[in-house]
Amino acid sequence: DGGITQSPKYLFRKEGQNVTLSCEQNLNHDAMYWYRQDPGQGLRLIYYSQIVNDFQKGDIAEGYSVSREKKESFPLTVTSAQKNPTAFYLCASTRHRGVSPLHFGNGTRLTVT
Amino acid sequence: GESVGLHLPTLSVQEGDNSIINCAYSNSASDYFIWYKQESGKGPQFIIDIRSNMDKRQGQRVTVLLNKTVKHLSLQIAATQPGDSAVYFCAETGGSNYKLTFGKGTLLTVNP
Repeated sequence: DGGITQSPKYLFRKEGQNVTLSCEQNLNHDAMYWYRQDPGQGLRLIYYSQIVNDFQKGDIAEGYSVSREKKESFPLTVTSAQKNPTAFYLCASTRHRGVSPLHFGNGTRLTVT
Repeated sequence: GESVGLHLPTLSVQEGDNSIINCAYSNSASDYFIWYKQESGKGPQFIIDIRSNMDKRQGQRVTVLLNKTVKHLSLQIAATQPGDSAVYFCAETGGSNYKLTFGKGTLLTVNP
């Protein structure tokens, strides 16, 4: 079955360390997204990519970086510059043309202490 | 600023009852709306969507109603089951996937 795979499901890091979250999709979708979810809040867009080798900042990109070297992969790096990195991170993808529902992975819960 | 919000943060219903989850939006340019279901520890799952040229759309046990006059969206779940217990999010956009705006969610609890 096609879908989006995020790994690992749980991730623990010490403050000051960079950490990379993996997102892979086999839906042949052009566009991919990273969202952050905090308790009691809606999803907030970190970065998105509509095509390979191109990506744009979302609403809360500070302290994060991404790459899009392959259509199937869109890893997110949480850098030490991110002031409050502990959160639930969700990756999503969708067809590029037209407006259509986002398909989400099952998330990575990052805890930084 | 423009926002998508929910009238009720929590909703508790009895198994077999119908559930109605509401959502208000403020962007009059929004023309595409989506409802998602999110179970604990999982990613949001698409339930149903509706475009602004419609005021009602039905799926399996779910119905979405759109009232553009008052900028209100609702999700109706018929014969609610324990498996429907989750957080439900509405989302809207004015024409681009990357500008999808999510509400904060309503926690639906179904009591047996």
